[in-house]
Amino acid sequence: EIVMTQSPATLSLSPGDRATLSCRASQSIGSDLAWYQQRPGQAPRLLIYGASTRATGVPGRFGGSGSGTEFTLTISSLQSEDFAVYYCQQYTNWPPRWTFGQGTNVEIK
Amino acid sequence: EVQLVESGGGLVQPGGSLRLSCAASGFIFSSYEMNWVRQAPGKGLEWVSYVSNIDSTAHYADSVKGRFTITRDNAKNSLYLQMNSLRAEDTAVYYCARDRRVFNLWGRGTLVTVSS
Repeated sequence: EIVMTQSPATLSLSPGDRATLSCRASQSIGSDLAWYQQRPGQAPRLLIYGASTRATGVPGRFGGSGSGTEFTLTISSLQSEDFAVYYCQQYTNWPPRWTFGQGTNVEIK
Repeated sequence: EVQLVESGGGLVQPGGSLRLSCAASGFIFSSYEMNWVRQAPGKGLEWVSYVSNIDSTAHYADSVKGRFTITRDNAKNSLYLQMNSLRAEDTAVYYCARDRRVFNLWGRGTLVTVSS
């Protein structure tokens, strides 16, 4: 199983700050990585796929980068609605053995 | 409106069974592969199962293989998850999620609690 490790577990920032979230895969996954946002009490929402492609309707302040085993989600200027938990997910396996990271909680400082 | 709506969750005793449903609307259900993803209380996300839209080929996480069965009825625009031999560790919110590999559409989820 490919293990996804996210860091930090919690990020305490202020509105307007830049957020940098990391995700590491236990083996190379190429660019088969997605990022999701989950607000309290809501379902996850797809933000990024293919490591760097924004999903439809996702604001330009969200950016993804990386390949292989190291990936980054950057939020250039945090808005109030961005305070949430973010998960990375690898989808390189077939048959599926898709796995998620444990999440990074972006909280208001 | 494009949406997925889960139902069927509830409280069940260990060893019991439950059948979850997911109703799809606003898109051509038969054109999309579907999944179940779960989230234990206060925990992260876990992919559970996948079903093909073409021939209903199914795949499962090791944690549920042999106990859960995913099916779909394209005529009814519905996805199902039959859960047998339930364990305490199966307690979670169960989401249905659309598409292969990358989950582009999610339902709101249904809570399954396994407890005596």
